[in-house]
Amino acid sequence: NAGVTQTPKFRVLKTGQSMTLLCAQDMNHEYMYWYRQDPGMGLRLIHYSVGEGTTAKGEVPDGYNVSRLKKQNFLLGLESAAPSQTSVYFCASSPIGRGTDTQYFGPGTRLTVL
Amino acid sequence: GQNIDQPTEMTATEGAIVQINCTYQTSGFNGLFWYQQHAGEAPTFLSYNVLDGLEEKGRFSSFLSRSKGYSYLLLKELQMKDSASYLCAVRDRGGGATNKLIFGTGTLLAVQP
Repeated sequence: NAGVTQTPKFRVLKTGQSMTLLCAQDMNHEYMYWYRQDPGMGLRLIHYSVGEGTTAKGEVPDGYNVSRLKKQNFLLGLESAAPSQTSVYFCASSPIGRGTDTQYFGPGTRLTVL
Repeated sequence: GQNIDQPTEMTATEGAIVQINCTYQTSGFNGLFWYQQHAGEAPTFLSYNVLDGLEEKGRFSSFLSRSKGYSYLLLKELQMKDSASYLCAVRDRGGGATNKLIFGTGTLLAVQP
């Protein structure tokens, strides 16, 4: 049981390049989330999904797109990377939010945009 | 608006007790979580409170007062490995429909010998 995995772990992009971050979970969770974490800003929600084929915007969605074609995968795309998107990106998944249903986080992707 | 406040940094001594406070103002409340995050790693779940009072789990306890919008995480018998960031998060008013969490900026705890 690998939990939540993310690929790649590190990436350096030039301004204007595109890339896709992959998140996979093997816990059969319904909900999945993409966050970015910046110094002094905490975790901020980019997009989330409450089920296969559904996505919704979070707090900071501009410049990002997502897709959830399969229940276990949640993809985050940057179409034209900007230096402001330099950050650590975390994916998380959770069961439906009852009681102690918590979010489980992947190990993160460290992205630098030059 | 929605706001969660925590101290930015704290320092404590190995073997001592430390209390990390969290105050929140959110449009709805469906539970409060504490996470631990070591440098360069993912956040991991520590505790959950939805009713007023104290929840104890080994060396860690968490307290909630909903009327005051206040929680604290209490760490006893501090160990060097407790040096980490501690994140306070409130479940969004969407509750079970989305299980979205609103995170504070985290408190960086340094445990000194």
